[in-house]
Amino acid sequence: EAQVTQNPRYLITVTGKKLTVTCSQNMNHEYMSWYRQDPGLGLRQIYYSMNVEVTDKGDVPEGYKVSRKEKRNFPLILESPSPNQTSLYFCASSSGPLYDYGYTFGSGTRLTVV
Amino acid sequence: AQSVTQPDIHITVSEGASLELRCNYSYGATPYLFWYVQSPGQGLQLLLKYFSGDTLVQGIKGFEAEFKRSQSSFNLRKPSVHWSDAAEYFCAVGAVDSSYKLIFGSGTRLLVRP
Repeated sequence: EAQVTQNPRYLITVTGKKLTVTCSQNMNHEYMSWYRQDPGLGLRQIYYSMNVEVTDKGDVPEGYKVSRKEKRNFPLILESPSPNQTSLYFCASSSGPLYDYGYTFGSGTRLTVV
Repeated sequence: AQSVTQPDIHITVSEGASLELRCNYSYGATPYLFWYVQSPGQGLQLLLKYFSGDTLVQGIKGFEAEFKRSQSSFNLRKPSVHWSDAAEYFCAVGAVDSSYKLIFGSGTRLLVRP
């Protein structure tokens, strides 16, 4: 089944403890992206990647890092999480420009930082 | 800056009644427009998209949307709502500075009365 898989689904952590949220897609998509969803704000783009070793900042990149060493994986790294990073995170992928293909989204990771 | 406005935070309709969810965007030229649905605990699923051509777009699950340039709107409609349609709905527009970025509205939560 074609899908974007995120892990974990739920995570509670403490301030300052490094964490990684994994994202993997099995559709050979070149383009991947991370969004965070907050009440009343919709989804905002954190980082995106056009292909292996090509990444760039989205609208809210502060406090996050990403890497794209393989085409299928696009992990989101929080080096020193803070409570304002408590949010619902989505990974998404696309095989090409959105006007042709749109996004396929993962099921989300709910992160709580205490 | 581009933006998407979904003026209704919550909408409640009775099962079998018709539905219209509003979406307005800020952009001068013809935008790429999308509607996504997020069921509880799930990722986002693409309902429909508009890029050009016929301004009435048919999507999955019996939904349709109409692009009205004069009103900068892309409202989502369904003639008869089912209880399973209860979810959160997001309107999104493709960013003018990237073929790979979506700008989302804040969402409308649909509640369905039995």
